[in-house]
Amino acid sequence: GEDVEQSLFLSVREGDSSVINCTYTDSSSTYLYWYKQEPGAGLQLLTYIFSNMDMKQDQRLTVLLNKKDKHLSLRIADTQTGDSAIYFCAESDGSSNTGKLIFGQGTTLQVKP
Amino acid sequence: DAGVIQSPRHEVTEMGQEVTLRCKPISGHNSLFWYRQTMMRGLELLIYFNNNVPIDDSGMPEDRFSAKMPNASFSTLKIQPSEPRDSAVYFCASSGGLRKYFGPGTRLTVT
Repeated sequence: GEDVEQSLFLSVREGDSSVINCTYTDSSSTYLYWYKQEPGAGLQLLTYIFSNMDMKQDQRLTVLLNKKDKHLSLRIADTQTGDSAIYFCAESDGSSNTGKLIFGQGTTLQVKP
Repeated sequence: DAGVIQSPRHEVTEMGQEVTLRCKPISGHNSLFWYRQTMMRGLELLIYFNNNVPIDDSGMPEDRFSAKMPNASFSTLKIQPSEPRDSAVYFCASSGGLRKYFGPGTRLTVT
């Protein structure tokens, strides 16, 4: 079945770059997503990448996709204390087009001033 | 648009009681999802609807859980009877395409 794996914790200093990694198993996934969850809040869609792309950049965010290795990463440039949150990687269910997502367990990003 | 609306935001109840969680999706979205988040299991998809029809309820833990979507603007998730292990944050999400929007969640505590 589908499975999405992430490291649980990442700590960086303010101003540094953060790289959050994710691996997935469903090679038929059409889209891969990054969500951000701040304490006590719901999940906020940060960005997504189509499976036939290998990179997508959106302001401070860069998504890299290695489809061969089923590896997805999210790079946050010039990390700020406001970026402290849990980041979830998710893959779409490749067997349908209904938007069903499989989430990783989330990576807690701690940004130290 | 106000986004996905969930109520209540917090619910504390005693074991054995019935709990009903409510969700109003974003207008125009045709898919609705119920997720449960716990420290131990992370985010789990419980059930999702497409055009008000339940498509996949394989994530519903057991018969104590039921979900309905009587119309395009309202869905409920009911737990009867509730148990302490049901304590979690329950999220509703809706989508009309690629983007899925999550509500703020309902934090359920069953004592």
